[in-house]
Amino acid sequence: AQSVTQPDIHITVSEGASLELRCNYSYGATPYLFWYVQSPGQGLQLLLKYFSGDTLVQGIKGFEAEFKRSQSSFNLRKPSVHWSDAAEYFCALNTNAGKSTFGDGTTLTVKP
Amino acid sequence: DSGVTQTPKHLITATGQRVTLRCSPRSGDLSVYWYQQSLDQGLQFLIQYYNGEERAKGNILERFSAQQFPDLHSELNLSSLELGDSALYFCASSARTGSESYNEQFFGPGTRLTVL
Repeated sequence: AQSVTQPDIHITVSEGASLELRCNYSYGATPYLFWYVQSPGQGLQLLLKYFSGDTLVQGIKGFEAEFKRSQSSFNLRKPSVHWSDAAEYFCALNTNAGKSTFGDGTTLTVKP
Repeated sequence: DSGVTQTPKHLITATGQRVTLRCSPRSGDLSVYWYQQSLDQGLQFLIQYYNGEERAKGNILERFSAQQFPDLHSELNLSSLELGDSALYFCASSARTGSESYNEQFFGPGTRLTVL
């Protein structure tokens, strides 16, 4: 069975600092990987996705993620965090059969 | 605005009752997903429908059922409600074309269910 692990429940960074949110997955075949962001009281919004090709993918709002098959990881990065980035971030995996698995999420707090 | 609508926005009911949550996917999307989000369980995938047929099943209880209608809207039925069913229920849609495993999902705003 597939699984997604986000090791960091909560991360605090200062505004303007760089950010990396970790995501590890377990799946026997090629995964389809996604990062979503959820602001309080809102639904989830897609930041970026990976399913083939270049292992470094660019997303919206200045985010990027790198797929590393050897490490089963898909970490999300941003070079300079803005206060508006404070939210909860979810890593997700889709299988060929259409089943979706989400990580438990990482809550990002941005200090002024 | 994702284009996915969910009604009602809030629902308060009592234990033992039955409720129906409704979801309208984005225009043209064939897949509908249902999720439950609670503080202790996180975001749990419940079930997926594709063009009216069940395609994938997750951690959905037997007391819960769903269906997707010919007009592609979907309903999630929750019965014999328990206190622990209190959660935010999201619907998402995807798949305008082809294989949808790598298509992003567009999430609705959710229905907050409170069971008293």
